[in-house]
Amino acid sequence: DIVMTQSPDSLAVSLGERATINCKSSQSVFFTSNKKNFLAWYQQKAGQPPKLLIYWASTRESGVPDRFSGSGSGTDFTLTISSLQAEDVAVYYCQQYYSTPLTFGPGTKVDIK
Amino acid sequence: QVQLQESGPGLVKPSETLSLTCTVSGGSISGYYWSWIRQPPGKGLEWIGYIYDTGSTVYNPSLKSRVTMSVDTSKNHFSLMLSSVTAADTAVYFCARSAAGHDYWGQGTLLTVSS
Repeated sequence: DIVMTQSPDSLAVSLGERATINCKSSQSVFFTSNKKNFLAWYQQKAGQPPKLLIYWASTRESGVPDRFSGSGSGTDFTLTISSLQAEDVAVYYCQQYYSTPLTFGPGTKVDIK
Repeated sequence: QVQLQESGPGLVKPSETLSLTCTVSGGSISGYYWSWIRQPPGKGLEWIGYIYDTGSTVYNPSLKSRVTMSVDTSKNHFSLMLSSVTAADTAVYFCARSAAGHDYWGQGTLLTVSS
C-alpha cells in the first residue's frame, strides 16, 4: 500500500495570510506514460462530505477559487491557500489514486489565528 | 448535476451484515468507477473499494474478505455489503464517483454497530 503522510497536523493562519500543507507519499505517484501525478486534494468542512479541490496534483476542480493551488511531483506535494478566508476553515486531505488500495493522508486541520 | 444519495439501516447488530445502497441521479452510472469510503467518528478517510458499471470490482485488502459490491445500471444504483460487522465498523459511509480523484460524493450515512 502507498502510505500518505501530511504535515503539519494542524495550523492556524491569520485571515488573508498564506496557508501551506505538505503531503508525502511512500512511493512515487508519477505515471511516466502520461506524465501525470495521481494525487488529489480535498477539503472537508464539519458535517459535510469531502470536496475535491485539486486533481493531477495541480489541476483545480471547476468552481474552486484560484486562491487554492497544488504543486509537487513524485512523492512530495503541497497545497497552498494564498489568502486564507473564513470559509476555508476545514480539514484538508491528500489522496493518491496511482494504485489500489486508494489511500488518504491523515488530514490537516486549518483554523483562523 | 450529478447527485449521490446513500441509504441504509443506520443501526446494525454485531456479527450481522450491513447493506447500503447509493442512488445516482443527474447522470448515468455507466462509464465510471463508483467507490465506497468510510470515516469513523472524528477520524480520517478509508477507501473500501470500487465497482465499475460492468460489475468489475476492486476491494481494499484490509476489508476484502467481508466486502461485496454490486451495481444495477437499470436502477442507476450500486450497493455495499459488509459482513460480520463489529464496533470498529461504526462510521459515516460515503459513496463517491471515482475518476481523477473522487469528484462527486453523497452526504454520507452514519452506520452504528451496536447490540
